[in-house]
Amino acid sequence: NAGVIQTPRHKVTGKGQEATLWCEPISGHSAVFWYRQTIVQGLEFLTYFRNQAPIDDSGMPKERFSAQMPNQSHSTLKIQSTQPQDSAVYLCASSLGWGQNTLYFGAGTRLSVL
Amino acid sequence: GDSVTQTEGLVTVTEGLPVMLNCTYQTAYSDVAFFWYVQYLNEAPKLLLRSSTDNKRTEHQGFHATLHKSSSSFHLQKSSVQLSDSALYYCALSDLGGSAKLIFGEGTKLTVSS
Repeated sequence: NAGVIQTPRHKVTGKGQEATLWCEPISGHSAVFWYRQTIVQGLEFLTYFRNQAPIDDSGMPKERFSAQMPNQSHSTLKIQSTQPQDSAVYLCASSLGWGQNTLYFGAGTRLSVL
Repeated sequence: GDSVTQTEGLVTVTEGLPVMLNCTYQTAYSDVAFFWYVQYLNEAPKLLLRSSTDNKRTEHQGFHATLHKSSSSFHLQKSSVQLSDSALYYCALSDLGGSAKLIFGEGTKLTVSS
């Protein structure tokens, strides 16, 4: 079991460019989560899917952030028109689902917006 | 809404001495699980311990925590820290009856010195 896989590990974009982050959850896990990690805010919840369906996107900045899960083996987080304040580590996690709320995290993608 | 508070952003302890990392919470839910996650440098956060039972001590890797609903706390303790315990520690809660997402505190960076 390779765990949750996130690519790329590091991404540098210029202000105003688009960034797409990829996540491959653990096989057999039905829930996929996206978090943003910063020193000041810690781990902020962004959104999550269960059985590929979006369940809760209450943490997503509405205007420039979007997430999709087109199949059970991967999810993407897209940030349009990136801004310097979007610089953070973006973590993906998966879990077995209902009643099994233990999250297994990937190593994250460090996004730097110049 | 639900929230988790970790009052210490940085804790420094000498090797061999005890440590307690504070975690308090607010939640409207009655069926809730509580977690401590540990993140070593350049690694993914991983589960350290988990509890949903009031007044029951939970232990793992020399760390222990007891959920006290009367004081809304889930402090993490260790009687004798090691240099290898230096890491970022996050406290979190999850509503077992509804959303599977975890709500994290701001995190506490533990530095163990020799």
